[in-house]
Amino acid sequence: AQSVTQPDIHITVSEGASLELRCNYSYGATPYLFWYVQSPGQGLQLLLKYFSGDTLVQGIKGFEAEFKRSQSSFNLRKPSVHWSDAAEYFCAVALSGGSYIPTFGRGTSLIVHP
Amino acid sequence: EAQVTQNPRYLITVTGKKLTVTCSQNMNHEYMSWYRQDPGLGLRQIYYSMNVEVTDKGDVPEGYKVSRKEKRNFPLILESPSPNQTSLYFCASSLRSSYNEQFFGPGTRLTVL
Repeated sequence: AQSVTQPDIHITVSEGASLELRCNYSYGATPYLFWYVQSPGQGLQLLLKYFSGDTLVQGIKGFEAEFKRSQSSFNLRKPSVHWSDAAEYFCAVALSGGSYIPTFGRGTSLIVHP
Repeated sequence: EAQVTQNPRYLITVTGKKLTVTCSQNMNHEYMSWYRQDPGLGLRQIYYSMNVEVTDKGDVPEGYKVSRKEKRNFPLILESPSPNQTSLYFCASSLRSSYNEQFFGPGTRLTVL
């Protein structure tokens, strides 16, 4: 079955530290890959997406993600975290040429200490 | 301003009392969808619509209905709500499909007693 795994439920970092949030997917072909952020009490907002081409993708708010086909991963990174980055982060995938139902991971809650 | 709106934002109801959550987008998007968000489960798609009069089931459609009579509106209907439908609901839209960036509404928190 198709799946998206975010292995970390919570991650705590200090402000100014680097961040990496993990995302692994299980699909037969390369899917369309997304990272969304959900601030408290808000809807989701797209951070970045990968369809094809350069495997390092730049997004908004200083985030980037790297697609690694061999590891079926699409990890989100930020070199220096700000307190305002505290939020829930969701990885999502959609299959090309297949179902139009996207699959979301369970989310990773980021806590930022001052 | 480009946006997806949902109403109501909060709703407390009782088992079996029919309710409708409205969703509207002003971006002329073809694809619209409904999700529910539950702790530890992430977002799960309930129904989606590729265009007017075209709707299809998502991962968890049981107990829900939708309609797409106009391009901008995509209401979610719970004809006989039950407590297991207590959840946070999001409407989303995108240009053509789930391959495009989805724009999410602010959410509707539903409690069924």
